[in-house]
Amino acid sequence: AQKVTQAQTEISVVEKEDVTLDCVYETRDTTYYLFWYKQPPSGELVFLIRRNSFDEQNEISGRYSWNFQKSTSSFNFTITASQVVDSAVYFCALSEKTGANNLFFGTGTRLTVIP
Amino acid sequence: DAGVIQSPRHEVTEMGQEVTLRCKPISGHNSLFWYRQTMMRGLELLIYFNNNVPIDDSGMPEDRFSAKMPNASFSTLKIQPSEPRDSAVYFCASSLDPAGVWGFGSGTQLSVL
Repeated sequence: AQKVTQAQTEISVVEKEDVTLDCVYETRDTTYYLFWYKQPPSGELVFLIRRNSFDEQNEISGRYSWNFQKSTSSFNFTITASQVVDSAVYFCALSEKTGANNLFFGTGTRLTVIP
Repeated sequence: DAGVIQSPRHEVTEMGQEVTLRCKPISGHNSLFWYRQTMMRGLELLIYFNNNVPIDDSGMPEDRFSAKMPNASFSTLKIQPSEPRDSAVYFCASSLDPAGVWGFGSGTQLSVL
């Protein structure tokens, strides 16, 4: 069963628009960790955020914010006032405390910010 | 602090040749992972080590692939013989535990002609 689902394959927005990237996860563990990574055109994977399953507080970091809702198994990512430099592929990922100690990635959402 | 270091950054080789990818994890991290990224399959785990011991290699596609971790600061992923379908970006990652931040290397872009 797929553990992380990013239903949006590609999104295009005009600069300064807000955009939300969706992430739905599946796990039987009560302790788990959720991540977002950014992959710019240069190809590296850039860590953005990590949340554990016991902390449902939303987090804001500059123009970035994350909404974690256990009730819907979602960990959505919002970029406010998008900029061209935000253009990248964004991956949501899940790590479970038990099991294979793997980082399960979603298929990614390609965000294009049009100037 | 140095991040995960991978080499080479790019590798172009001919079908049938041996390819060796290298990785130096973040100092102090006890888990090391090799991932492969392709358009068709996305990011998939090939193998992971914990305290230098291979724990799960179920993602290794076939016997042509092998990985070693002789010590806590070095790992290799070898493909022998290489095939065009092995062309992909190979990432190495390390972590202290699932709760920690996973560091990723810059990846090795492998092209097998």
